[in-house]
Amino acid sequence: DSGVTQTPKHLITATGQRVTLRCSPRSGDLSVYWYQQSLDQGLQFLIQYYNGEERAKGNILERFSAQQFPDLHSELNLSSLELGDSALYFCASSLGTNTGELFFGEGSRLTVL
Amino acid sequence: AQTVTQSQPEMSVQEAETVTLSCTYDTSESDYYLFWYKQPPSRQMILVIRQEAYKQQNATENRFSVNFQKAAKSFSLKISDSQLGDAAMYFCAYSQNAGNMLTFGGGTRLMVKP
Repeated sequence: DSGVTQTPKHLITATGQRVTLRCSPRSGDLSVYWYQQSLDQGLQFLIQYYNGEERAKGNILERFSAQQFPDLHSELNLSSLELGDSALYFCASSLGTNTGELFFGEGSRLTVL
Repeated sequence: AQTVTQSQPEMSVQEAETVTLSCTYDTSESDYYLFWYKQPPSRQMILVIRQEAYKQQNATENRFSVNFQKAAKSFSLKISDSQLGDAAMYFCAYSQNAGNMLTFGGGTRLMVKP
């Protein structure tokens, strides 16, 4: 158990809908990262937050947004969903921004029909 | 931009034997971190081993060791005495010194035959 909690574990929805994925980092970790894992794109970094502020942005679509709350949990919002958004979405956390070690949650499997 | 390449989509090893997974990367940085992550069928990403680029000594964690060739930008993972539980997807990953943003390779599926 990494200590990173993601909900929901599985989610099935329709095209055009909006979903929210939630992540609770390990106790004491200030950084949260979101990654997308799909068959065609592999593992891609989406976005990083550190202590409530956006720190780095990767290949995140404009239809996607994220935030980190004062209690350090994070949410990834995916809107106007398309079939191609079906993927495994991972959250990871680390103590800071320079330790080089991330702890991953079990992921949220999103299926868009 | 940094890239990470794993040239072996699939590898197979007999139980108790040794297997080496390959990884190459491209970067213009001199300080960085390299990692191997394991993703079993449970799908959770588990850190296997890490290597700091400034360290010349190859990292070792029990049956797992790396061969880090900085000049060649190569970072292979050796698994000794392979066990059935080692069967998984293995991802090589790169991180610059600051930021912890990981760039992953495409993965290698390791099968372990009893």
